[in-house]
Amino acid sequence: DAGITQSPRHKVTETGTPVTLRCHQTENHRYMYWYRQDPGHGLRLIHYSYGVKDTDKGEVSDGYSVSRSKTEDFLLTLESATSSQTSVYFCAISRPPGLASYEQYFGPGTRLTVT
Amino acid sequence: EDKVVQSPLSLVVHEGDTVTLNCSYEVTNFRSLLWYKQEKKAPTFLFMLTSSGIEKKSGRLSSILDKKELFSILNITATQTGDSAVYLCAVEATSGTYKYIFGTGTRLKVLA
Repeated sequence: DAGITQSPRHKVTETGTPVTLRCHQTENHRYMYWYRQDPGHGLRLIHYSYGVKDTDKGEVSDGYSVSRSKTEDFLLTLESATSSQTSVYFCAISRPPGLASYEQYFGPGTRLTVT
Repeated sequence: EDKVVQSPLSLVVHEGDTVTLNCSYEVTNFRSLLWYKQEKKAPTFLFMLTSSGIEKKSGRLSSILDKKELFSILNITATQTGDSAVYLCAVEATSGTYKYIFGTGTRLKVLA
């Protein structure tokens, strides 16, 4: 398995509270991604990072922010959680694309419930 | 807008059957197409197809990429109950940086 861990693995929180999810990798990969997975929608990209302090928005970034201060850590923050953010969140990593393409490897996921 | 469409949405077969899963795409600056298998956990990588590798095979699974018609298929022969999963197709695209666009998946159930 690729060296990716996510914490926490499960979390229940109340509407309006801030929540931070952590993704940690030991592969020294430059690219890191946050996805959410919901029934009927598949995996949707929230934010991604292509280096320390370099991040960009995905297709469902509203209500989320990210930070990457170290190569190994990519944090996803819900500033004020809403029930629509109840989902399973996956982190993924990929080596820097160049002439070749590389697959993504996924972390184990975090199940977040907002009540 | 970039999009990836998979069909069928779900499929039920019996052990020993052969199945074909479809993935069509419309993306800007295509680089590669990837197939993943997802059971009740994180997706696991199956295949990557690029311009230089448009056919891949591993055991009972095989996949082809048609860059002209913008689609890929994943074939599974002699299906087993352990093949039951959601199969995800993703396309890697670039517009300065690199990202992956996923389809919604095909849910395969193999009955004993």
